[in-house]
Amino acid sequence: AQTVTQSQPEMSVQEAETVTLSCTYDTSESDYYLFWYKQPPSRQMILVIRQEAYKQQNATENRFSVNFQKAAKSFSLKISDSQLGDAAMYFCAYKFSNTGNQFYFGTGTSLTVIP
Amino acid sequence: GAVVSQHPSRVICKSGTSVKIECRSLDFQATTMFWYRQFPKQSLMLMATSNEGSKATYEQGVEKDKFLINHASLTLSTLTVTSAHPEDSSFYICSARDQSSGANVLTFGAGSRLTVL
Repeated sequence: AQTVTQSQPEMSVQEAETVTLSCTYDTSESDYYLFWYKQPPSRQMILVIRQEAYKQQNATENRFSVNFQKAAKSFSLKISDSQLGDAAMYFCAYKFSNTGNQFYFGTGTSLTVIP
Repeated sequence: GAVVSQHPSRVICKSGTSVKIECRSLDFQATTMFWYRQFPKQSLMLMATSNEGSKATYEQGVEKDKFLINHASLTLSTLTVTSAHPEDSSFYICSARDQSSGANVLTFGAGSRLTVL
């Protein structure tokens, strides 16, 4: 079974600093997708970044980047130059590329940005 | 990009009544939509997969007679909470994937907060 683990229920970062959120997953598959979603206080889930498992290069989206370690089944999110608007719940998610449409979500990490 | 609209955003109802929540894909067709339930400060729990033109697929432990799902068109899925009780109070979120784009990305609605008195 696919599982996604986020071991940090809460994290905090000083504004303008960098923070890394951890995510590990368990799968026996070789072809899959990984995602980080953000859920701000508005509760609207927003895609932050995604990574295809077959790509060795780490995905980046402006201030957001990932450290994808396939062998270790690790997919951490780095937020650089943290802004107040980054404060949110962050969910790591996994999708097996060829099995239906099911996404598996981690339990989330609540990020606080300190002014 | 793909947009999913969910309505209502908040609903309060009396115990024993039924509540319908709508989920629409605004600029794409979605043969499959997903309904999640989220408790405070917890992750999303997949309740069911809504399939256009056929029966929904429910996750283990989710009562299909309690949570009725209808996916009558390629852009609309509805979740009806029947005979609602206070324990059904929760945040319900729908999502869909724009399969035509080839992107393996879920787009979420803004969610619906249900409060059952």
